[in-house]
Amino acid sequence: GAGVSQSPSNKVTEKGKDVELRCDPISGHTALYWYRQSLGQGLEFLIYFQGNSAPDKSGLPSDRFSAERTGGSVSTLTIQRTQQEDSAVYLCASSSYPLQADTQYFGPGTRLTVL
Amino acid sequence: AQKITQTQPGMFVQEKEAVTLDCTYDTSDPSYGLFWYKQPSSGEMIFLIYQGSYDQQNATEGRYSLNFQKARKSANLVISASQLGDSAMYFCAMRKEDAGNMLTFGGGTRLMVKP
Repeated sequence: GAGVSQSPSNKVTEKGKDVELRCDPISGHTALYWYRQSLGQGLEFLIYFQGNSAPDKSGLPSDRFSAERTGGSVSTLTIQRTQQEDSAVYLCASSSYPLQADTQYFGPGTRLTVL
Repeated sequence: AQKITQTQPGMFVQEKEAVTLDCTYDTSDPSYGLFWYKQPSSGEMIFLIYQGSYDQQNATEGRYSLNFQKARKSANLVISASQLGDSAMYFCAMRKEDAGNMLTFGGGTRLMVKP
């Protein structure tokens, strides 16, 4: 079946602009995760969804970051007033958690560059 | 807090030889899961192998095996018969077995396979 998809694959924006990143999980996966991969910080957890609710937002770096998930499927990560330090690859993963064998499967990522 | 350490930033291996990528972890949780992911230059994180903390036997998946030494808190990845396509970044990750199951990643090891 289809894997996790993300769009856009690349996004270049100017400092101060808002951006939206989209994730379409594997069909039937109830858990959805956003991670950020940057040169200085490695791979960091941002937020976790179970269905449409986000029980854990502990990784969001600031209040400029928000995310939502609708219909238990597609999720959007929004970054407001982007800063240069937001430049990174944003990875989305989904899993069948809380079922067993809930391996997280990742999408190809969105590479964000803030000029 | 959980922590994953990969001490080898880069490694070379001759094609067709075996290679071991090191991973040590630190956690106070009795139940956890350990994962290895491969990230080729295309950027996508590819799941390779999983080991549960209560599993009695080391996990194996094709050419990949996980050398799990619980007392030493190590979970090394062994790749047998290396292929040129194995050249990539490899990440060790730990899943905390509670609400959310989000992953904590190590810094990664870049493996380069020489022909």
